[in-house]
Amino acid sequence: QKEVEQNSGPLSVPEGAIASLNCTYSDRVSQSFFWYRQYSGKSPELIMSIYSNGDKEDGRFTAQLNKASQYVSLLIRDSQPSDSATYLCAVMNNAGNMLTFGGGTRLMVKP
Amino acid sequence: EAGVTQFPSHSVIEKGQTVTLRCDPISGHDNLYWYRRVMGKEIKFLLHFVKESKQDESGMPNNRFLAERTGGTYSTLKVQPAELEDSGVYFCASSRELNEKLFFGSGTQLSVL
Repeated sequence: QKEVEQNSGPLSVPEGAIASLNCTYSDRVSQSFFWYRQYSGKSPELIMSIYSNGDKEDGRFTAQLNKASQYVSLLIRDSQPSDSATYLCAVMNNAGNMLTFGGGTRLMVKP
Repeated sequence: EAGVTQFPSHSVIEKGQTVTLRCDPISGHDNLYWYRRVMGKEIKFLLHFVKESKQDESGMPNNRFLAERTGGTYSTLKVQPAELEDSGVYFCASSRELNEKLFFGSGTQLSVL
């Protein structure tokens, strides 16, 4: 079993819809979780971090964390074609120095 | 504020040759990390510097890889001799503190032929 798992996609949604990206992780003691967006050939860019159970909202993005289920998700409201990218889920180790990444989900937002 | 810069952006070498990748972190960031993504796999941690000290080398694949950060500023990652399986994208990242947002560079695409 991979440490951080994501559906590779592609996930295709129409413009204006909600995109829902999911991630599960295996280390039950993990405390810090991150979502990165990566455009093709570019660097991963942090868009959300979440540390506590529940929802965290930032603009059109909402991260959701459920530690009991070892599940993290990212919702993108009012999806735009410019949101088309690969979204990487990452979990920080307890030392705070190492991210474990999932394989990423490719999101395609169609006009 | 300048971001994390990496050089070169692309490198094509033959098996057995040596390649050195360079990373300039964001000014003031004591923590510097190397990650890599090989074809079809996840981005994987290689190592972590705090200033000039290696804090964690647990991700380094073997002794053909040598990372340095003399003076605690820029870092280099040397692969000697390069093997076919070393091909991939090598990312550098930096952060001011531990457990904080990591800023990534755009990576070096290494192709070993």
